[in-house]
Amino acid sequence: EAGVAQSPRYKIIEKRQSVAFWCNPISGHATLYWYQQILGQGPKLLIQFQNNGVVDDSQLPKDRFSAERLKGVDSTLKIQPAKLEDSAVYLCASRGGTGRTGELFFGEGSRLTVL
Amino acid sequence: KQEVTQIPAALSVPEGENLVLNCSFTDSAIYNLQWFRQDPGKGLTSLLLIQSSQREQTSGRLNASLDKSSGRSTLYIAASQPGDSATYLCAVEGGSEKLVFGKGTKLTVNP
Repeated sequence: EAGVAQSPRYKIIEKRQSVAFWCNPISGHATLYWYQQILGQGPKLLIQFQNNGVVDDSQLPKDRFSAERLKGVDSTLKIQPAKLEDSAVYLCASRGGTGRTGELFFGEGSRLTVL
Repeated sequence: KQEVTQIPAALSVPEGENLVLNCSFTDSAIYNLQWFRQDPGKGLTSLLLIQSSQREQTSGRLNASLDKSSGRSTLYIAASQPGDSATYLCAVEGGSEKLVFGKGTKLTVNP
């Protein structure tokens, strides 16, 4: 079974530039999450999708971050304009099954450095 | 607001030692608790998932316990090996299927 795929693995940009990250979840997984992990911290949820609908985006900085999951499969997370404090690893995770019985499967993450 | 704390932040042990990692959470109204492993530069790998109705889960040399009423979980690693060196993260799930993570315990097992 293929895992959660993310790209790019690494990205370096200057502040005020834009960046986009892509995630392809495990086939058939309805729930998709984007997490932000700052060095030395645990992951923090940015947005959660159920199929192509948003379940929770309460911690997404909507003035600069946006995310979409068209057709309920792949997802894209965009940051525009980037700030220095956005330097982090952006992790995508997916979950199959129904309710809260399934494990989360994480991709390897996209590491963003903002200069 | 749920808060998850992991103690210690870092732990260094000699190979072969049994060890315990601790996780505490402030809101006992959880659906489940998961332990994850994270290797440097990698994503998270799920180790054990404990439903709120369960007391413990075991997988190989790993055993995780859950005491929901006291807001605590422990991850026991038996006969530690250098390959166990990683950061171990605890996460609790409450409403809306949202996981709240601790900051992790960085484990180093010395040969």
